[in-house]
Amino acid sequence: GENVEQHPSTLSVQEGDSAVIKCTYSDSASNYFPWYKQELGKGPQLIIDIRSNVGEKKDQRIAVTLNKTAKHFSLHITETQPEDSAVYFCASQTGANNLFFGTGTRLTVIP
Amino acid sequence: NAGVTQTPKFQVLKTGQSMTLQCAQDMNHEYMSWYRQDPGMGLRLIHYSVGAGITDQGEVPNGYNVSRSTTEDFPLRLLSAAPSQTSVYFCASSYRDSRDTQYFGPGTRLTVL
Repeated sequence: GENVEQHPSTLSVQEGDSAVIKCTYSDSASNYFPWYKQELGKGPQLIIDIRSNVGEKKDQRIAVTLNKTAKHFSLHITETQPEDSAVYFCASQTGANNLFFGTGTRLTVIP
Repeated sequence: NAGVTQTPKFQVLKTGQSMTLQCAQDMNHEYMSWYRQDPGMGLRLIHYSVGAGITDQGEVPNGYNVSRSTTEDFPLRLLSAAPSQTSVYFCASSYRDSRDTQYFGPGTRLTVL
């Protein structure tokens, strides 16, 4: 099956700085790459996604980039705020129903 | 809309006991799924359903059963609980398949002694 690796496992940044989380995947047929944010005690929540025909997508302070040749995609958060502190998961999908998650990145934004 | 609801929030079982984790959604979504979340391993797909009467296995289906008799409900059954099934379980739903926005429930924390 698909293998998704996510780095780093923990990340601390000063408020206002940028944060970058990187993921790689193994299956070249993967075509959908969502990012989820999970706050303590809650279920994951989709924050942004990208599909294989797009190289970059941006939504306010959040952006995702995809490099299909290298099989990696990244989450960029600019102007970080304390409420961005959470665990972030990348995921990769092959076909319609096989979604594989990375192991998560715990982001801490220091005020 | 309540979204995706899960019950119970916490459960402790003894090895060999059986139980059912409940999941319901009120968004008329066709796709529903169950994941387990273990420390350091992210979320792994257990079973999923693309509509009432249709279920299929995910990445880690052993030890779990599901059924989908209605669009709204997707219960997960543990037939004979084992300590390896200690985990946090999340139910999710989306409009058609997992490439649509998936909405997750709040989770059930299960401990098997």
